Amino acid sequence: RKEVEQDPGPFNVPEGATVAFNCTYSNSASQSFFWYRQDCRKEPKLLMSVYSSGNEDGRFTAQLNRASQYISLLIRDSKLSDSATYLCVVDSNYQLIWGAGTKLIIKP
Amino acid sequence: SQTIHQWPATLVQPVGSPLSLECTVEGTSNPNLYWYRQAAGRGLQLLFYSVGIGQISSEVPQNLSASRPQDRQFILSSKKLLLSDSGFYLCAWSGGTGAAYRGLEQYFGPGTRLTVT
Repeated sequence: RKEVEQDPGPFNVPEGATVAFNCTYSNSASQSFFWYRQDCRKEPKLLMSVYSSGNEDGRFTAQLNRASQYISLLIRDSKLSDSATYLCVVDSNYQLIWGAGTKLIIKP
Repeated sequence: SQTIHQWPATLVQPVGSPLSLECTVEGTSNPNLYWYRQAAGRGLQLLFYSVGIGQISSEVPQNLSASRPQDRQFILSSKKLLLSDSGFYLCAWSGGTGAAYRGLEQYFGPGTRLTVT
């Protein structure tokens, strides 16, 4: 089993819709969780950290479920500019483990 | 604010040629530094990390080496490139100093796209 797993997608979503995707992790001792966004042929950029209580940043909401060992990202009122690959990142033994990403395509 | 630079942006090299990619960070001191490779459609693979000048840890056996001659400079090298070395090479930094801080969020440079022919 991979340490961090994501559905590769693509998720094809109409503009204005709400979309959510999950990421599962294997190390129950993990303490840090992040979502990054990567545009085509660009570097990953930190979207948000994921806290135990969940956190929200504008249209984006991240949740952590320790019991089931997954984190989620919800995007509301999706915009064309949200089209990207979303990378789930989890720490394991003091290093970051990267998921392969979920590709999101927002259609007009 | 912190800035991370990488160059060159793209590189096409023949098999067997040497490689040198450079990364520099501005606006922070004593960062942890990282080299990653991303193959097409794949996740990031950590190649090397450094917690200080001259301190390099390798995560996977490979044809590459890394050096940190200055606090905010990280270099990725190879003496002879292989076809399998092709990929998108990313340098990143994180705050905190030391191995225990590798779980902090990381910030990336623009990357170098290497094609070995």
